[in-house]
Amino acid sequence: GENVEQHPSTLSVQEGDSAVIKCTYSDSASNYFPWYKQELGKRPQLIIDIRSNVGEKKDQRIAVTLNKTAKHFSLHITETQPEDSAVYFCAAISYSSASKIIFGSGTRLSIRP
Amino acid sequence: GAVVSQHPSWVICKSGTSVKIECRSLDFQATTMFWYRQFPKQSLMLMATSNEGSKATYEQGVEKDKFLINHASLTLSTLTVTSAHPEDSSFYICSANHERGASYNEQFFGPGTRLTVL
Repeated sequence: GENVEQHPSTLSVQEGDSAVIKCTYSDSASNYFPWYKQELGKRPQLIIDIRSNVGEKKDQRIAVTLNKTAKHFSLHITETQPEDSAVYFCAAISYSSASKIIFGSGTRLSIRP
Repeated sequence: GAVVSQHPSWVICKSGTSVKIECRSLDFQATTMFWYRQFPKQSLMLMATSNEGSKATYEQGVEKDKFLINHASLTLSTLTVTSAHPEDSSFYICSANHERGASYNEQFFGPGTRLTVL
C-alpha cells in the first residue's frame, strides 16, 4: 500500500540556523504533497504544499522541493525561530485514490535559544 | 472560510460505553470527510473515509462495527466508538474535503477530540 517515510524523527537546531526534513513516498500516483505543523493537542496546520508539476516552492522562510523521479520531497526552514518548535508531518495525496492523505511519521523540531 | 468543527473537544467515559464524535464543515459542503486517530507522539493514522449518502470506506485493520461512521448530510459526519475500552483512548481528528475545482481538493482539519476511556 501507500507509504510515506520521514526523517529525522527528532531534530534540534540552534535558533537562526536552518532545518531540513526529508520524506520519500511509494505511490507513483501521488501528485500533491502538503506539509503540516502540529502543536501539542492541536490540529495539523498546513504550512506549505507542492504539486507534482512543480519542483520547488518558497514562502518566506519555508521552502519545499520535490524530486518526482526519486520520489523525494523536503522541507527547508531557514532562520529558525523559537516558535518554529513543533511536530512537522509530510504527506502525500493521490487524487486518484479519493484524496486520502498518507502522513509521514513526523519530525519533532526543537529550536535551541 | 473553510472551518471544520468537532464536538466534543474532550470526553471521558467508562469502559463499555459508546461515544459519539461529531465533525462539521461550517461554511462549505463536504461530500467526503476523513477520520484519523493519533496516539501520543505518533502520526495521524487514517481510520476511514466518510462518504455522504453512502457507506464509509475503512482502512485495513479498522473494525467497522466498532467505529461506526455516519455521513448523513453534506456538513456532518459522526464517528461512534462503540463499547469503548481503555485502548481506544486517543486523539481523534476529522478532516473535510473542500473541492476547489476539478483537480484541486484541499482538506481542512477539525480541532480534534481527546477520548479517555477509564
